[in-house]
Amino acid sequence: NAGVMQNPRHLVRRRGQEARLRCSPMKGHSHVYWYRQLPEEGLKFMVYLQKENIIDESGMPKERFSAEFPKEGPSILRIQQVVRGDSAAYFCASSPLEGGLRSYNEQFFGPGTRLTVL
Amino acid sequence: RKEVEQDPGPFNVPEGATVAFNCTYSNSASQSFFWYRQDCRKEPKLLMSVYSSGNEDGRFTAQLNRASQYISLLIRDSKLSDSATYLCVVNRAGNNRKLIWGLGTSLAVNP
Repeated sequence: NAGVMQNPRHLVRRRGQEARLRCSPMKGHSHVYWYRQLPEEGLKFMVYLQKENIIDESGMPKERFSAEFPKEGPSILRIQQVVRGDSAAYFCASSPLEGGLRSYNEQFFGPGTRLTVL
Repeated sequence: RKEVEQDPGPFNVPEGATVAFNCTYSNSASQSFFWYRQDCRKEPKLLMSVYSSGNEDGRFTAQLNRASQYISLLIRDSKLSDSATYLCVVNRAGNNRKLIWGLGTSLAVNP
């Protein structure tokens, strides 16, 4: 059973370009979560999605950032017009739909995408 | 007050030592509790869920005190490979899937 997959692992963009980060959840998992981690800082929640629905985007910056989880294909975190402050590690996690209170809240992480904005 | 608070450390201990980490959370409605570990520049990995009655997994023991809104992690017989940052995590409330993450406690196990 493959784990959570993210690509690319490393992404370099110049200021003003767009960054697209992809996440494929674990097989059988229905929910996807995106987090951002700045160097030497903690994990910050951004958004969580179920297929075709955004459930909670309270951690997403109001502008330039968007996320989707289409019916087919991976979840995408899109950052438009990147700035140097967007440089960070972006982690995706997934969890199952059901399984009791504990198990569906357990989140399993992908290896992350390290975004560098020049 | 932060929703989840941990002592950042660092904790420096010799191999074989026993070390304990504590964590407090502010929302009494939280129902799911976890410890994750994160190695430098890697993704967080689930170490163990924390149950009301306390639970043990090998050298690791987790305890939950709902009255005091306090979670602990005990590591016995520390190994060099235990060196990492340990993250205390709780859910927002009830069945809410959104997890609130502590900033982590750094552990260095020395030979």
